[in-house]
Amino acid sequence: GQNIDQPTEMTATEGAIVQINCTYQTSGFNGLFWYQQHAGEAPTFLSYNVLDGLEEKGRFSSFLSRSKGYSYLLLKELQMKDSASYLCAVRDGDYKLSFGAGTTVTVRA
Amino acid sequence: IAGITQAPTSQILAAGRRMTLRCTQDMRHNAMYWYRQDLGLGLRLIHYSNTAGTTGKGEVPDGYSVSRANTDDFPLTLASAVPSQTSVYFCASSDGATSGTDTQYFGPGTRLTVL
Repeated sequence: GQNIDQPTEMTATEGAIVQINCTYQTSGFNGLFWYQQHAGEAPTFLSYNVLDGLEEKGRFSSFLSRSKGYSYLLLKELQMKDSASYLCAVRDGDYKLSFGAGTTVTVRA
Repeated sequence: IAGITQAPTSQILAAGRRMTLRCTQDMRHNAMYWYRQDLGLGLRLIHYSNTAGTTGKGEVPDGYSVSRANTDDFPLTLASAVPSQTSVYFCASSDGATSGTDTQYFGPGTRLTVL
């Protein structure tokens, strides 16, 4: 089976930076996704990495190291609306997504 | 507005009853998926369809069936519901390409309670 680990919860202050780590062990690798999910809503796509390195998209950046089975999502200049769950998902050798349990980020004023 | 719709939004169901969750997308995506989301476990794939007329089993298919008669619709059926099927169910779709991002887009979810 697939194994994707990420912290359960993180808390940070408005305007700060938070880094959410994700480690994975999967059967094959065809990309890593980060999704954002607000309470009671559907997951929405944030970022995609398939090659090693950093992908920057506004206040959000995502990093991948395939050799280490490791990714992180960096949220900068935190805003209250960033309070949500962040889901790490790996596309395996069968092109199916396996999700981590999600990290709930709480932004405090 | 393009996207994915699911029905019903929520449902309370007696154990042993049959239930079909509906999912429709208007993005002409080839691939569609059904996930369940449970606290502490994340999203788990139930069934998928790479293209109309084909379906496949995901990680947790037992107790569920699907059909894909056309591109737009992908209903999920619980033949005889059990309390362990209480969950939030999300339908998703993607282009289905095996190269590139092939991002999955999610519907709003159906909250199902089986008593």
